[in-house]
Amino acid sequence: LAKTTQPISMDSYEGQEVNITCSHNNIATNDYITWYQQFPSQGPRFIIQGYKTKVTNEVASLFIPADRKSSTLSLPRVSLSDTAVYYCLVARRRDDKIIFGKGTRLHILP
Amino acid sequence: GAGVSQSPSNKVTEKGKDVELRCDPISGHTALYWYRQRLGQGLEFLIYFQGNSAPDKSGLPSDRFSAERTGESVSTLTIQRTQQEDSAVYLCASSLVAGQGTQVDEKLFFGSGTQLSVL
Repeated sequence: LAKTTQPISMDSYEGQEVNITCSHNNIATNDYITWYQQFPSQGPRFIIQGYKTKVTNEVASLFIPADRKSSTLSLPRVSLSDTAVYYCLVARRRDDKIIFGKGTRLHILP
Repeated sequence: GAGVSQSPSNKVTEKGKDVELRCDPISGHTALYWYRQRLGQGLEFLIYFQGNSAPDKSGLPSDRFSAERTGESVSTLTIQRTQQEDSAVYLCASSLVAGQGTQVDEKLFFGSGTQLSVL
């Protein structure tokens, strides 16, 4: 199971682009990288998943370098409502459980 | 229903009582997880069900905790003789495990959780 490391917390301002980087040095060849977002008093929700290069959806972009040992979640033009905890996970083997790390607590300031 | 449903949403109980928490996963999802989240903390894995395989109970903190799942449907998490340190939000998630071989492409869908308060 690939271990992930991400910053504990980050602050940014409304309208800025926010990039959160996650390290996963021992990622396996067939592993996917998945990011979840958790608002206060809610369960986490899936925001984006990728395997290599770049993935973009209506919420975020995910950049994965060629060596796949890290990934960067990019949130364009954040607003106060993007204040949340963001979790990076590396996809597991079929018979392994999914373990969440401590995530990155993102605080958006006005 | 369209999403994962958990009940009750809130439960207040007295120390020493037993509680039962329920999770209705998304129809057709073969995998089901229970997590615990204490105030201001991350998600703590409790138990994992996958199809007809034996559940992975490695995260259950003590023998007061148990969980069952009926086929690929409802799951209940039971906490016996509750203690104050059991106070937390209990989250359930389900997924349809895709992919081939040992590779998985899995997205978890979470319920809103049960806030358990032990007085």
